[in-house]
Amino acid sequence: ETGVTQTPRHLVMGMTNKKSLKCEQHLGHNAMYWYKQSAKKPLELMFVYNFKEQTENNSVPSRFSPECPNSSHLFLHLHTLQPEDSALYLCASSQDRQEQYFGPGTRLTVT
Amino acid sequence: EDQVTQSPEALRLQEGESSSLNCSYTVSGLRGLFWYRQDPGKGPEFLFTLYSAGEEKEKERLKATLTKKESFLHITAPKPEDSATYLCAVLDSSASKIIFGSGTRLSIRP
Repeated sequence: ETGVTQTPRHLVMGMTNKKSLKCEQHLGHNAMYWYKQSAKKPLELMFVYNFKEQTENNSVPSRFSPECPNSSHLFLHLHTLQPEDSALYLCASSQDRQEQYFGPGTRLTVT
Repeated sequence: EDQVTQSPEALRLQEGESSSLNCSYTVSGLRGLFWYRQDPGKGPEFLFTLYSAGEEKEKERLKATLTKKESFLHITAPKPEDSATYLCAVLDSSASKIIFGSGTRLSIRP
C-alpha cells in the first residue's frame, strides 16, 4: 500500500447505528486530518492530530469521535448521526503542517 | 477574518483554449499556498506549494503564480483530461490554520 488509504469507501448507516471510518498513511508523516466535504461547500476541517495528539477540534458535534492510536492510523467513530451528516469524509496526512496528501475518501449516507 | 475566495466558480473551455483560475486570500501572514486537483468522488491530489510573492511553479500544462494577495493557476492548451475541480488552500504564518477555497470546476470540451 502506498500513500493514504481509507476504508470503507462507501457506508450506509441508520441514525441509530455505530460505525467507524479508518485511515492509514504510509508516508511517514507526523500529522493527520479529518475533513468533511459536502456538495458545493468548501472542505471543512474537523480534527487535526500532530504526533498522535489532538491539536484541533473545530466545533465538531460529539457524535463524531476521533482516535489516533499511532502516527500512521486515524479513526473516526460515528454514533447516532443525522441525515445532514451525509457527505464525503476525507483523511489527509502531512509533514509539519505542509502540503497534505489525501486518501480517496469514504462516501457516507445516513438514512 | 481569514478567507480564501476562488473564481470563477465554474469554467468551460474548448480544448486548446488557455485560461487562468484565481485564488484570492486574506490571512494573517502566509506560510504557504497550496493548489490541489480533485476528480469527482476522489480525494484532492496535491499539485503545487508556493511560499512567497513572485514564486512560480510549473507542471505539464499548469503554472501557478503568487502575489501578496492572490494566486493564479494558468492552464495552457488544456486537454479534456484536465477537467476537474481545482482547490486552493492557504496556511497562515503560525502554521496553525489551513483554509480551503470552494474550488473552480473546470470542464474542457473536445
